[in-house]
Amino acid sequence: GQNIDQPTEMTATEGAIVQINCTYQTSGFNGLFWYQQHAGEAPTFLSYNVLDGLEEKGRFSSFLSRSKGYSYLLLKELQMKDSASYLCSPMDSNYQLIWGAGTKLIIKP
Amino acid sequence: SAVISQKPSRDICQRGTSLTIQCQVDSQVTMMFWYRQQPGQSLTLIATANQGSEATYESGFVIDKFPISRPNLTFSTLTVSNMSPEDSSIYLCSARDGEADTGELFFGEGSRLTVL
Repeated sequence: GQNIDQPTEMTATEGAIVQINCTYQTSGFNGLFWYQQHAGEAPTFLSYNVLDGLEEKGRFSSFLSRSKGYSYLLLKELQMKDSASYLCSPMDSNYQLIWGAGTKLIIKP
Repeated sequence: SAVISQKPSRDICQRGTSLTIQCQVDSQVTMMFWYRQQPGQSLTLIATANQGSEATYESGFVIDKFPISRPNLTFSTLTVSNMSPEDSSIYLCSARDGEADTGELFFGEGSRLTVL
């Protein structure tokens, strides 16, 4: 079957660094997306990894290990506006995105 | 990047009625999708809207309940038919930019439906 495992909720402090881990199992693999979703809003694209390694984009970085079925999203210099859900979504052999419930990140002052 | 406009943004509907949600993309896109999301839950793909042919529905979703139109490469509609309170949810239109299968998905703002 296909599944995604992420922590349900995480709490971090403003200005700090947080790493959100994701393990996945899919039928085939065509890359992995990270999306951010604020409450009541649509998801917005953060990153896409198809090769092993780290992709850095400003305060956000995403890492992929295909052999381990593992990815993480690293958020630096946390801001209050980073409070949101973060969705790890691998793409299967049919180019379909597989969605979990995501990780709700709470930022405290 | 594609910009997707969806309407209505929210509506309150009576049981047994139908509502059509419209999705407009500001550029031509090959792939358009309709999702449903309950609060705190994952996105659930309803169907892929194919231009010039019938939509492809996921398991658990049927055309009679969720008819979809895709008249051109920038527009699609989803109708939620014969609504019941269980259909209360956020419905999201999305599109894949360009023609690459691996392009990122862009989402509309969502349509929050409440069925009484």
